[in-house]
Amino acid sequence: EAQVTQNPRYLITVTGKKLTVTCSQNMNHEYMSWYRQDPGLGLRQIYYSMNVEVTDKGDVPEGYKVSRKEKRNFPLILESPSPNQTSLYFCASSLQTSGRSTDTQYFGPGTRLTVL
Amino acid sequence: QKEVEQDPGPLSVPEGAIVSLNCTYSNSAFQYFMWYRQYSRKGPELLMYTYSSGNKEDGRFTAQVDKSSKYISLFIRDSQPSDSATYLCAMSASGGAQKLVFGQGTRLTINP
Repeated sequence: EAQVTQNPRYLITVTGKKLTVTCSQNMNHEYMSWYRQDPGLGLRQIYYSMNVEVTDKGDVPEGYKVSRKEKRNFPLILESPSPNQTSLYFCASSLQTSGRSTDTQYFGPGTRLTVL
Repeated sequence: QKEVEQDPGPLSVPEGAIVSLNCTYSNSAFQYFMWYRQYSRKGPELLMYTYSSGNKEDGRFTAQVDKSSKYISLFIRDSQPSDSATYLCAMSASGGAQKLVFGQGTRLTINP
């Protein structure tokens, strides 16, 4: 089954304690992305990756890091989490397209993070 | 001003009603327009996409884009309780999935 998986699904942590949220896709997609979803703000892109070893900032990258060492995995790292990073996080992947075409973007089930 | 504006609702209608969901945007470079549906505790799933202006129909769903007014709509005919979800509009200037800009989402409830 084609899917994007994220772990953990729920996480409660304390300020300053480093954490990693994993994301993996089994569709051989080049493009992967992380979003956060907050009430009243919708989905905002944190980082994206066009392919292995190619990453770039989205709209809200501060306080986050990513890496893309393998095509299937795109972990999100919070080196020193703060309460304003409490949010619902989604990983997504798609085939990279160009020109007059678009492609379905598959989303993971989400990770609800609470930073105390 | 947000690049994409969407009424967050909530919107509650009786089963069988026609539902109209809308988004406005300010960036005239947007060419690709999408609607995602998000059920509670799930990730968004692509429902409809259109390129440039015009209409697109898929079953009970119709997406409309009016680039001159910077306005997009999603119509749901014969609404069903299973359509109850949050609907997010999204758009981008370039092809493909990168640099999508989302609206806030509209929470819709269809009452049996």
